[in-house]
Amino acid sequence: AQTVTQSQPEMSVQEAETVTLSCTYDTSESDYYLFWYKQPPSRQMILVIRQEAYKQQNATENRFSVNFQKAAKSFSLKISDSQLGDAAMYFCAYEGIQGAQKLVFGQGTRLTINP
Amino acid sequence: DTGVSQDPRHKITKRGQNVTFRCDPISEHNRLYWYRQTLGQGPEFLTYFQNEAQLEKSRLLSDRFSAERPKGSFSTLEIQRTEQGDSAMYLCASSLAESTDTQYFGPGTRLTVL
Repeated sequence: AQTVTQSQPEMSVQEAETVTLSCTYDTSESDYYLFWYKQPPSRQMILVIRQEAYKQQNATENRFSVNFQKAAKSFSLKISDSQLGDAAMYFCAYEGIQGAQKLVFGQGTRLTINP
Repeated sequence: DTGVSQDPRHKITKRGQNVTFRCDPISEHNRLYWYRQTLGQGPEFLTYFQNEAQLEKSRLLSDRFSAERPKGSFSTLEIQRTEQGDSAMYLCASSLAESTDTQYFGPGTRLTVL
C-alpha cells in the first residue's frame, strides 16, 4: 500500500518570505500523480498544485512550486512571497493510476504566516 | 459552475442514532468519493462511485456505514447506530473519469456524536 509522510507538523514563516514544506511517499508503482492541497480554517480542501510522475519538469503555479525527486520519492512544496492568506493546513497526497484512483494523504503541515 | 456541495454542514447526534449526509458533485462529474477526516489528520478514503456503481470500499467502512448514488448524480452516506468514534469531518469529492483528472472537494459535514 502507498503511504505519504509529512514530517513537519507545524511551520511558520514571515510574510513575504519563502517556505518549503516536505513530503515523502512510498510506492511500488512507476506512474502516479502527486498533489498539494490547502485546507484553510474554513475547512474546504483546495488544490494548490499537481505533478505527474512521468514529467521531469517540476510543476509551478504562480508563487507555488514543487521539487519532485522521483528516485528519492520526495515531493516538497515551495511557497514564495508568503501572504497572510496562505495560512492553512497543507496536505500532500498521492494518487495511483489504477482502480479507484483514490487519494492517499499525509498527516498535514500547519503553516502560520507571521506579519 | 457550482462546486461540490454537502448537506448538512454540521450534525450533532446522540450515540445510537442514525444519520444521513448528502453530497452533490460538480455536474457532469461521474466519479464521486467519500473521505473521513479526524481532527489533526489527513482525510482517509471511505468509498468511491463511478456513475451509480459503488466500485470500492475501504475497510474503514464498517457494516454500519452505507453509501448510495442512485442515479449517478448526488450521493448519500448513512451511518447507523452511531458511535462516539464516528465523530469526524466527512468529505465528498468528485472528478471526471479521466486518468488525469483532479478531485474537487466539498466543504464537508462535521459529525459530533454525543
